[in-house]
Amino acid sequence: DAGVTQSPTHLIKTRGQQVTLRCSPISGHKSVSWYQQVLGQGPQFIFQYYEKEERGRGNFPDRFSARQFPNYSSELNVNALLLGDSALYLCASSWRQADQPQHFGDGTRLSIL
Amino acid sequence: QKEVEQDPGPLSVPEGAIVSLNCTYSNSAFQYFMWYRQYSRKGPELLMYTYSSGNKEDGRFTAQVDKSSKYISLFIRDSQPSDSATYLCAILHTGGGNKLTFGTGTQLKVEL
Repeated sequence: DAGVTQSPTHLIKTRGQQVTLRCSPISGHKSVSWYQQVLGQGPQFIFQYYEKEERGRGNFPDRFSARQFPNYSSELNVNALLLGDSALYLCASSWRQADQPQHFGDGTRLSIL
Repeated sequence: QKEVEQDPGPLSVPEGAIVSLNCTYSNSAFQYFMWYRQYSRKGPELLMYTYSSGNKEDGRFTAQVDKSSKYISLFIRDSQPSDSATYLCAILHTGGGNKLTFGTGTQLKVEL
């Protein structure tokens, strides 16, 4: 079975632009979470979606938004990009909403110029 | 104070050594504990997952949780160069979403 897949793998944007990142969970998984990993740090939680509803939100500004589709895939949108948004954006999926280990994709590396 | 503290290393050991990686946490309500391995330019890969105090073994890896001390450990026996990676401890919140709180990660290098 395929693991969590994310696209694109790399992206270069300039300040002020908007970006959309995509994630397909492991088949059968209904929960998708997004994390931001800055170089040299552990991932930080951004959002969790389960059954197409937001179930958790981390300490990120409103420039960050996400949604989940009926096939359980998900998109993360970031508006008005700042230099500090440069990071690896990771998507993780799990079968249920809670109490389940999460499996990560290889992420989208976003660079802001 | 961070919710999860982890020594970032780097840690360099000879091949065959026993490696000990550690994290401390502050919230006694945490119940689920995980270790992930992350190779360069890859996503975190789940190694171990446990919810109780005590030891859990899987091949060369042993995860240890001491809830009374709020201390978690990962031991790697007979370390190999292929174990060279960053090791992340993570703790799962179950209220308000399925949020993982990570340590900063410990960079491990196993040398021939």
